[in-house]
Amino acid sequence: DGGITQSPKYLFRKEGQNVTLSCEQNLNHDAMYWYRQDPGQGLRLIYYSQIVNDFQKGDIAEGYSVSREKKESFPLTVTSAQKNPTAFYLCASSGGVTQYFGPGTRLTVL
Amino acid sequence: KQEVTQIPAALSVPEGENLVLNCSFTDSAIYNLQWFRQDPGKGLTSLLLIQSSQREQTSGRLNASLDKSSGRSTLYIAASQPGDSATYLCAVRQDSAGNMLTFGGGTRLMVKP
Repeated sequence: DGGITQSPKYLFRKEGQNVTLSCEQNLNHDAMYWYRQDPGQGLRLIYYSQIVNDFQKGDIAEGYSVSREKKESFPLTVTSAQKNPTAFYLCASSGGVTQYFGPGTRLTVL
Repeated sequence: KQEVTQIPAALSVPEGENLVLNCSFTDSAIYNLQWFRQDPGKGLTSLLLIQSSQREQTSGRLNASLDKSSGRSTLYIAASQPGDSATYLCAVRQDSAGNMLTFGGGTRLMVKP
């Protein structure tokens, strides 16, 4: 069953803590993306990776970090430097034509 | 920098109505435009993709049109049903090299039985 999985579905974080969101795909796609969505708004690009061991900042990369050590995996770390991390985070992958999205992780800072 | 706007932000209609969702973009030099559906708390599902050389695409009760020169796209939903209730997002891709998408803010649709 091919697709994109994100875990956990819900995540709670205390202020000052770093947390890592998981994104895995078995679609054999080269490109992967992380987006942030705030209530009632569209998606904003945080980071993207076109190939293993390479990634670039998107429009709102400050306070986030990523790694791309394997083709299937693109984890996102939300660091304590991110001032307002409460949001819905979506991961996507692409084989060239369109992007396929995971189910999302809702992060809440307590 | 490309900016994508969707109007209205929210729409409530009775079941059976035909409706139109609007999407506008500031830079007409796009590669393609895509409409997505998002159910509450879920990821995005692609509905229709229109290449820059195309004028429209159809899938079932959905029809999307593209007027690149005026920077506009519309999503037409015929005979709306309660199951169509969701947020609809449009996104534009700027070039053929990288698959980077710029999203609009979405239109939240409620179809009442």
